[in-house]
Amino acid sequence: GESVGLHLPTLSVQEGDNSIINCAYSNSASDYFIWYKQESGKGPQFIIDIRSNMDKRQGQRVTVLLNKTVKHLSLQIAATQPGDSAVYFCAENPSPGVAGGTSYGKLTFGQGTILTVHP
Amino acid sequence: DGGITQSPKYLFRKEGQNVTLSCEQNLNHDAMYWYRQDPGQGLRLIYYSQIVNDFQKGDIAEGYSVSREKKESFPLTVTSAQKNPTAFYLCASSIVPGPNTEAFFGQGTRLTVV
Repeated sequence: GESVGLHLPTLSVQEGDNSIINCAYSNSASDYFIWYKQESGKGPQFIIDIRSNMDKRQGQRVTVLLNKTVKHLSLQIAATQPGDSAVYFCAENPSPGVAGGTSYGKLTFGQGTILTVHP
Repeated sequence: DGGITQSPKYLFRKEGQNVTLSCEQNLNHDAMYWYRQDPGQGLRLIYYSQIVNDFQKGDIAEGYSVSREKKESFPLTVTSAQKNPTAFYLCASSIVPGPNTEAFFGQGTRLTVV
């Protein structure tokens, strides 16, 4: 079946540096992507999302880039802080625009990347 | 405050025993989901429900059962047929249909077999 995967399982950065976390997806039908942050022992928290009709979306200190040609998604965190240390997951939804579709709202998650920020 | 509440936070199960994990949401979301997370791994979908009184199997439904009698509640039962139940269980919900289909997660239940 289709899957979402991450290139790097761990990433260590110094406080103040920029971080880039990558994700490869294989389902060409996916048109909605989300990045989640999960702190130890807690549930994932929404960070930012992007639809396939966009190639870039910015939030507060975070930017998501989507390259549909190579099926690649990345999360950029500017001026990384110790509080950003967590596991980051990308997730895809095959067809959120298809009302009543069985996959509607059903997300497929990647393995996750552990981000460690050193003071 | 609106959100998803999972209980208990920690749960211990004896061999051969069924246990039920609670998930309640007051976000008025139609869809609810149960995921399993093993150490160092991503989330795997167990069951999901898009509407009351209806639910579908996810990728790893064997050994689990659910019910959706109320919109705000989606309990998960881990049965004795689940041979390796020790894991972190996450419940989520999302709006169906709608332009945003992000899932909102609870804080999880850590189940351990003793």
